[in-house]
Amino acid sequence: DTGVSQNPRHKITKRGQNVTFRCDPISEHNRLYWYRQTLGQGPEFLTYFQNEAQLEKSRLLSDRFSAERPKGSFSTLEIQRTEQGDSAMYLCASSPSRSRTVGTGELFFGEGSRLTVL
Amino acid sequence: AQTVTQSQPEMSVQEAETVTLSCTYDTSESDYYLFWYKQPPSRQMILVIRQEAYKQQNATENRFSVNFQKAAKSFSLKISDSQLGDAAMYFCAYRSAGLGSSNTGKLIFGQGTTLQVKP
Repeated sequence: DTGVSQNPRHKITKRGQNVTFRCDPISEHNRLYWYRQTLGQGPEFLTYFQNEAQLEKSRLLSDRFSAERPKGSFSTLEIQRTEQGDSAMYLCASSPSRSRTVGTGELFFGEGSRLTVL
Repeated sequence: AQTVTQSQPEMSVQEAETVTLSCTYDTSESDYYLFWYKQPPSRQMILVIRQEAYKQQNATENRFSVNFQKAAKSFSLKISDSQLGDAAMYFCAYRSAGLGSSNTGKLIFGQGTTLQVKP
């Protein structure tokens, strides 16, 4: 499978615990995105990496959230001291370097990591 | 800032019939992409159709077509000959097309429309 892979698919945790999600993008894609999606809503942008550099962070990304992409390949999203309001689906997407002649502007999504905070 | 609005939380269509999902957006940019993504229950989001703003011709992909009205900032999706497998949540999304380094290429999504297909 050469698509975007996310692990774990489901995570149930108690309030106050830390959780970490991993995303493995499509191998030749240097752009990586994290989104959060709550039930029945559209995905909301959290953060963006180009290679290993985190170039944009949404205001939704509070100081309890941290994301890394240490070698420009896989990425992790950590949530510290989880709260019930963090319960959501966390989506990862990737895309190649963008130009008029490379790629279609499309983002390729993983299946998501669903977090439930009790 | 750009925004995307889908005003139909739920739609229903009879199998083999045609349905149109609405989307409006707001932007001050002249060059951008618009997308429709499909998200089946518990499955990953996949691209249905894509439109580049500089192209006047409406995009078509098999049973899926769009009505792109740039001046009105409207981008509706028409699904013809609806099939049971079309049942899903559909998201309209916007992406800036500028090639400057400040453009991250992120997608801005609408709230989604849940499409039910009745046999």
